[in-house]
Amino acid sequence: DAGITQSPRYKITETGRQVTLMCHQTWSHSYMFWYRQDLGHGLRLIYYSAAADITDKGEVPDGYVVSRSKTENFPLTLESATRSQTSVYFCASRSTGSGNEQFFGPGTRLTVL
Amino acid sequence: AQSVTQPDIHITVSEGASLELRCNYSYGATPYLFWYVQSPGQGLQLLLKYFSGDTLVQGIKGFEAEFKRSQSSFNLRKPSVHWSDAAEYFCAVNNNDMRFGAGTRLTVKP
Repeated sequence: DAGITQSPRYKITETGRQVTLMCHQTWSHSYMFWYRQDLGHGLRLIYYSAAADITDKGEVPDGYVVSRSKTENFPLTLESATRSQTSVYFCASRSTGSGNEQFFGPGTRLTVL
Repeated sequence: AQSVTQPDIHITVSEGASLELRCNYSYGATPYLFWYVQSPGQGLQLLLKYFSGDTLVQGIKGFEAEFKRSQSSFNLRKPSVHWSDAAEYFCAVNNNDMRFGAGTRLTVKP
């Protein structure tokens, strides 16, 4: 299907476990982004990528790792999950150009017990 | 650092009434400005955006926004609200990365 998808949509894990959230887009957009959404904070940027093999930190990168070996995929890994990482995670993509719209995935709700 | 402020956490309006959601930004130059809407359990959908030129921009679903450089504001408006407009609204500014405001939750009374 065309668009941007995220998996899983819901995930429950335990403190200390590694978790990977997947993001896939079919538009060949150069830019991809990971945000977390928490009440009172809106969306905060975790990491972004301008192209395959190019990633950069956003506002709240600590505790997260990303990779981008292929243009269409941008997985986000929590190497050792903590309760403070309980959140809703959104992936987004856009084509080159700061004025271009970001398209968002449906989100992954992650709960860390 | 660029930042976005949405002063109103929650707004309630009656159906058919007018709506204005406030957004102020802090940035050295005029950034690209966006308004997104998020329905419960959904991702974000773009309502409208401003790059340059005409300071009044029209968007989808009957929304419009006005850019005021002197006030560093980009307020969202709608002349007559529908019950289906109940959602969370986010203002955002973009240079290389997007910064979002904390959001304004809109409740629509029948």
